[in-house]
Amino acid sequence: DVVLTQTPSTLSATIGQSVSISCRSSQSLLDSAGNTYLYWYLQRPGQSPQLLIYLVSNLGSGVPNRFSGSGSGTDFTLKISGVEAEDLGVYYCMQATHAPYTFGAGTKLELK
Amino acid sequence: QVQLQQSGAELAKPGSSVKISCKASGYTFTSYYISWIKQTTGQGLEYIGYINTGSGGTNYNEKFKGKATLTVDKSSSTAFMQLSSLTPDDSAVYYCARRGTLDYWGQGVMVTVSS
Repeated sequence: DVVLTQTPSTLSATIGQSVSISCRSSQSLLDSAGNTYLYWYLQRPGQSPQLLIYLVSNLGSGVPNRFSGSGSGTDFTLKISGVEAEDLGVYYCMQATHAPYTFGAGTKLELK
Repeated sequence: QVQLQQSGAELAKPGSSVKISCKASGYTFTSYYISWIKQTTGQGLEYIGYINTGSGGTNYNEKFKGKATLTVDKSSSTAFMQLSSLTPDDSAVYYCARRGTLDYWGQGVMVTVSS
């Protein structure tokens, strides 16, 4: 199975600070058709995960544009430009290029 | 608005089975697959598989073959997942979500397996 390694595991930030989370894959996530099925989700405390970014860099419906995704191949990044209080929780990357779909272990974003 | 409403928490004995449901609303049910995901503190998020809500065709993560059975009732816009031969390792929160994109999630069902 594809292993997704997220770093850091915990991230402390102040409100307004910009932060980045890395997701590295054990295999390239580029498929033969030229698509890269890499997604980002946020799970707030006590809630279900919600989609933030799909196909590496596309913003999910209703997601604020302070969130952005980038990367290719095996290295991907989620950036939050100006953390807000509602952004606190655990962030997960997921790949759907290779079966079975797999998730990273998560990055917990907390207030400093 | 798109909603996935899951059934309530389950307490089951080892060796038994449970069947949890995921009722969709706010969109055309048969237009999107339903995926199922397991969440535990130890293993994190694991993808179980998906069901084609139009044809009933399924695709399982090898790890969950024989453990999970996915079905659908188009007349009620509801997807189901049956978990069989339960062990304590099956204790988890189980989510349904729409499509392979997982763009909408249910609220989750906590399954506790204990004697």
